[in-house]
Amino acid sequence: SQQGEEDPQALSIQEGENATMNCSYKTSINNLQWYRQNSGRGLVHLILIRSNEREKHSGRLRVTLDTSKKSSSLLITASRAADTASYFCATDAGQGAQKLVFGQGTRLTINP
Amino acid sequence: DAGITQSPRYKITETGRQVTLMCHQTWSHSYMFWYRQDLGHGLRLIYYSAAADITDKGEVPDGYVVSRSKTENFPLTLESATRSQTSVYFCASSEWATEAFFGQGTRLTVV
Repeated sequence: SQQGEEDPQALSIQEGENATMNCSYKTSINNLQWYRQNSGRGLVHLILIRSNEREKHSGRLRVTLDTSKKSSSLLITASRAADTASYFCATDAGQGAQKLVFGQGTRLTINP
Repeated sequence: DAGITQSPRYKITETGRQVTLMCHQTWSHSYMFWYRQDLGHGLRLIYYSAAADITDKGEVPDGYVVSRSKTENFPLTLESATRSQTSVYFCASSEWATEAFFGQGTRLTVV
């Protein structure tokens, strides 16, 4: 079974609204990452948060990490049509090697 | 050009044939990964490698073989292709505990 699971599986909002996606994982981790995938394309890295960090910002992105609950959230503020994509969380499964495992993703649609 | 490239981008093969998907990266990253992406399953890790000559199984390794004789290359071989291996395959590379860089993917159809 996969390490990370995103929630919701699909999200549709109006342009300008905020979008929140959640990720839960099963084992201890060294870090958690979020990626974006536009339809038919490769994944693009958005942000990495380490296990000793609780919150991280990058532009309109805000990521939180709660290691006690084994969960993370990605907030996209002031959404734009160009944010329409699938978003994935990935963890290293907490092992010495970087075994990068992804969840099933959240499909985000921004309506104009 | 610096980056990670996959070849071919599209491949159609017949059931039972052997097919190899190529992945090449120019950064000399230690880690390389192979994933498959299917509707409803997200990305699933097939194999990964921590360095040349070091490989390990991921979540769905059955039916696949990898090798890594050189740091920059990480080919994925389907020894005897089956229809269930029809998928989009992504290769990625990274250093430890840093972001991964993905190729553009190979769309494989097994008929």
